[in-house]
Amino acid sequence: GNSVTQMEGPVTLSEEAFLTINCTYTATGYPSLFWYVQYPGEGLQLLLKATKADDKGSNKGFEATYRKETTSFHLEKGSVQVSDSAVYFCALSAGGGSQGNLIFGKGTKLSVKP
Amino acid sequence: GAVVSQHPSWVICKSGTSVKIECRSLDFQATTMFWYRQFPKQSLMLMATSNEGSKATYEQGVEKDKFLINHASLTLSTLTVTSAHPEDSSFYICSASYREKNIQYFGAGTRLSVL
Repeated sequence: GNSVTQMEGPVTLSEEAFLTINCTYTATGYPSLFWYVQYPGEGLQLLLKATKADDKGSNKGFEATYRKETTSFHLEKGSVQVSDSAVYFCALSAGGGSQGNLIFGKGTKLSVKP
Repeated sequence: GAVVSQHPSWVICKSGTSVKIECRSLDFQATTMFWYRQFPKQSLMLMATSNEGSKATYEQGVEKDKFLINHASLTLSTLTVTSAHPEDSSFYICSASYREKNIQYFGAGTRLSVL
């Protein structure tokens, strides 16, 4: 079946460090891929998405590239800030349009220290 | 825009009682609402999907009579945990979409503790 595996946290970084959170997936067909972020006390928010192979999603300095050959969608940011401290969820949607239920990874907690 | 409010954020109840959780889309009309359950250090597990005015579609293994979902309007869905037991203690999260179902807007979640 469809599944998402992401690196376990927590991840602790100093401000301005480089961030990578690994995410790999298993899916039939051609899923859409997402990163959601959950700040403390808030609901999940869509951070970025990619809908086909080689697409790069980007937002707020975060990037992730849809790699079909490695079934991966790793999240990266060149210089993290304290305000990036949150839990990050990788997700896939195996069906497009009206069939697109989301399947989530377990989440990775990121803590950025000043 | 696209704000989803979930209430209450935390509820404690006695075993055998029922608990209702509300999910509201505040600034848009949600054609579809989703209910998830999250165990500690686990991913969000989809429980059910509901469209306004129709019965919810439950995922395999989710008891329909235990988890009652009502989607009475385009801005409100409720999840009622009936005759709650300690094993129902969990974090419940709702989301809503209005165009593509895979673009979902999430509530902040409800932590249910059953004593």
